[in-house]
Amino acid sequence: AQSVTQLGSHVSVSEGALVLLRCNYSSSVPPYLFWYVQYPNQGLQLLLKYTSAATLVKGINGFEAEFKKSETSFHLTKPSAHMSDAAEYFCAVIPGPGNTPLVFGKGTRLSVIA
Amino acid sequence: KAGVTQTPRYLIKTRGQQVTLSCSPISGHRSVSWYQQTPGQGLQFLFEYFSETQRNKGNFPGRFSGRQFSNSRSEMNVSTLELGDSALYLCASSLTGANTGELFFGEGSRLTVL
Repeated sequence: AQSVTQLGSHVSVSEGALVLLRCNYSSSVPPYLFWYVQYPNQGLQLLLKYTSAATLVKGINGFEAEFKKSETSFHLTKPSAHMSDAAEYFCAVIPGPGNTPLVFGKGTRLSVIA
Repeated sequence: KAGVTQTPRYLIKTRGQQVTLSCSPISGHRSVSWYQQTPGQGLQFLFEYFSETQRNKGNFPGRFSGRQFSNSRSEMNVSTLELGDSALYLCASSLTGANTGELFFGEGSRLTVL
């Protein structure tokens, strides 16, 4: 079954610095991949999704992710971190055809330091 | 447009009791999924309901059950509560089904079992 692995349970960056959150997937076929964000005391919100239309996917709040088949990766980036980006970020995959639910990674907590 | 509403937001129960959580999806959404979120296990899929039918079920014991009503509102029930059931229970709605990966989450119901 397809799954995702998020490298680093906690990432800390300075305000204005590059944000890079890592996600690798296990799949023998092109997967559908997603990034979700969870702000404190809130539910999850979809940031962006990859469905094979384009390898570079732009999402909300200035985030983007690049699908790299050769590296089986789907890392999330943002050029300049804001304090408001502090949250937990989840990579997720639809593991198979049919009515299969999203499978989430363990999450990466992003801290932004002033 | 109102978002996904979950009630209650917080509750405390003791071992052996049962609990019922409610979820009202976004108007027009026919799919409701439930996830359990804990620090150790992350987000784990419980079940999905679509047009009052359970479409998918995760790997949870039979103590966990759910249902969906004709107005798409959903409830989940946990019987004979155990300490390990303490978690944030998240409900997510989708227009056409959770297998699209595009889920709209509520803020969750935080259950503490003493």
